[in-house]
Amino acid sequence: DADVTQTPRNRITKTGKRIMLECSQTKGHDRMYWYRQDPGLGLRLIYYSFDVKDINKGEISDGYSVSRQAQAKFSLSLESAIPNQTALYFCATSVGGSTEQYFGPGTRLTVT
Amino acid sequence: RKEVEQDPGPFNVPEGATVAFNCTYSNSASQSFFWYRQDCRKEPKLLMSVYSSGNEDGRFTAQLNRASQYISLLIRDSKLSDSATYLCVVNRRDSSYKLIFGSGTRLLVRP
Repeated sequence: DADVTQTPRNRITKTGKRIMLECSQTKGHDRMYWYRQDPGLGLRLIYYSFDVKDINKGEISDGYSVSRQAQAKFSLSLESAIPNQTALYFCATSVGGSTEQYFGPGTRLTVT
Repeated sequence: RKEVEQDPGPFNVPEGATVAFNCTYSNSASQSFFWYRQDCRKEPKLLMSVYSSGNEDGRFTAQLNRASQYISLLIRDSKLSDSATYLCVVNRRDSSYKLIFGSGTRLLVRP
């Protein structure tokens, strides 16, 4: 079984809809991250959380919100989806004190 | 200017070839350096860390030049299975373990 899982794996939604992407991990890591990946731009950090009570904005947080429901769960919400949020979204985890991050399989989101 | 820059490629090489990728970073506060591998439509996975003294892992050799602010990855005896995108990744001393990703260099190894 995968250590970091993401649901859904693919989603097509319409402009203006609210959508939530979920991430769960069984690695026991305290730190979790959300990234988006666009062609030619690499991965960009949206939000990160170092523990359940710690949420921080990344470089591109506008239009997104997150919730850390438990150490193992970190969800990303798009309150009102827009077409330029079409991208591949990755969740990642790490243990405090380490720079190595472990990624989930990704969610491919299309906003029409 | 991007903080981490890579040639997007693709580098198209025959099996058995040696291929090298370079990556430059602009922030002198960068502290830790990595190469991640990403297969098509898959998640990135750590390939190797890059140490100041250079390091080798089988057919893969990574080098760091702090003075010129570039990192390299050398792959010897390329295999078909090496076909992937290679992401250069840095971590800044002031960034609390946040990683900065390059956009990747694509490698295609042909039979």
